[in-house]
Amino acid sequence: DQQVKQNSPSLSVQEGRISILNCDYTNSMFDYFLWYKKYPAEGPTFLISISSIKDKNEDGRFTVFLNKSAKHLSLHIVPSQPGDSAVYFCAARGDYKLSFGAGTTVTVRA
Amino acid sequence: KAGVTQTPRYLIKTRGQQVTLSCSPISGHRSVSWYQQTPGQGLQFLFEYFSETQRNKGNFPGRFSGRQFSNSRSEMNVSTLELGDSALYLCASSSLEGGVGELFFGEGSRLTVL
Repeated sequence: DQQVKQNSPSLSVQEGRISILNCDYTNSMFDYFLWYKKYPAEGPTFLISISSIKDKNEDGRFTVFLNKSAKHLSLHIVPSQPGDSAVYFCAARGDYKLSFGAGTTVTVRA
Repeated sequence: KAGVTQTPRYLIKTRGQQVTLSCSPISGHRSVSWYQQTPGQGLQFLFEYFSETQRNKGNFPGRFSGRQFSNSRSEMNVSTLELGDSALYLCASSSLEGGVGELFFGEGSRLTVL
């Protein structure tokens, strides 16, 4: 049973514009949420995280928003750059493990 | 410091065989988690080891097993391979039990079952 869902398998955005990635979860006991980025032939790398007690966390061009009532989080990338082209995984922590979504492939067009 | 190292990077097996994958965590990290990545399924949690003990296990059949050594290195084994076991197997290490700290991933071992 997939507790973390990324319903958009792909996203194409023009360089300089905003990328918005979405993630939904079902388990209200998740207490921490993370985004990982993955390039081909490499392992995922940590990007940004947010605690369940917050609704926003910002780190440079990356901002994560959490809406607990809707069990929804999103990642905003502004402005998008060609190097942002990668697969992005949403993850949620609960029961002493991370549950990952299926990933969203972002393509930034020049 | 050195990152998470996984070996082998690529391997091809046939149905019915068994395979052993190895993972060396970041120095000082005592937690090692294993994930299976397949297209459309994301990363599926296999199990997590901390101080040589399995702390958590995902919903995989008993054909999937693992262990951790005293130096924190970990191995996972898949017996009686099936075609559906073809996937990228990722290992991640963390300084905290339960992998609840930031996970550092290796590059993965890509298994193809023919």
